[in-house]
Amino acid sequence: KAGVTQTPRYLIKTRGQQVTLSCSPISGHRSVSWYQQTPGQGLQFLFEYFSETQRNKGNFPGRFSGRQFSNSRSEMNVSTLELGDSALYLCASSGGRGSYGYTFGSGTRLTVV
Amino acid sequence: EDQVTQSPEALRLQEGESSSLNCSYTVSGLRGLFWYRQDPGKGPEFLFTLYSAGEEKEKERLKATLTKKESFLHITAPKPEDSATYLCAVVVTGNQFYFGTGTSLTVIP
Repeated sequence: KAGVTQTPRYLIKTRGQQVTLSCSPISGHRSVSWYQQTPGQGLQFLFEYFSETQRNKGNFPGRFSGRQFSNSRSEMNVSTLELGDSALYLCASSGGRGSYGYTFGSGTRLTVV
Repeated sequence: EDQVTQSPEALRLQEGESSSLNCSYTVSGLRGLFWYRQDPGKGPEFLFTLYSAGEEKEKERLKATLTKKESFLHITAPKPEDSATYLCAVVVTGNQFYFGTGTSLTVIP
């Protein structure tokens, strides 16, 4: 079956712009989580959505937001981009409540210039 | 504060030279511990889940073990294709995941 699909794979944006990243989870998975990965900080949890509701949120500023649609697809938005937002953004899906273990997508590499 | 620490940060092995990676954790309400492998430019790939102290899982040259405070990923007779970053993560009550910063493994032919 198809894995977790993230689009686009690569993105270059200018400081101050905003960006929207997309994630399509594995069919049947209702939980989608987003992570930011940088060389210095490793994987940092952004937020998790389950059945269109944000269930958990990490310690990121309000410029980072997300949403989940009824088909479980999710989007992540970053407004007013800063140079420090350059990172690999990973989406992961799981079967939902009580179902542990993520399947990750290949990520979106965001570069802010 | 919940914390996951992996060591060493980097490890270079000769092909066939067995070793272990460590993941120590300080968390409340541990529900499970995961090991992932990540290749450059790709997302982490799931390897193992461990749920309770004493549990062990094996897959090819990899074996993961869990105690009350740490987990080990043992690599037996590694091959160059085992070169990757190995990530450890814990899930706690409330379904919150915490990742370590990983161990970068290089296996030299």
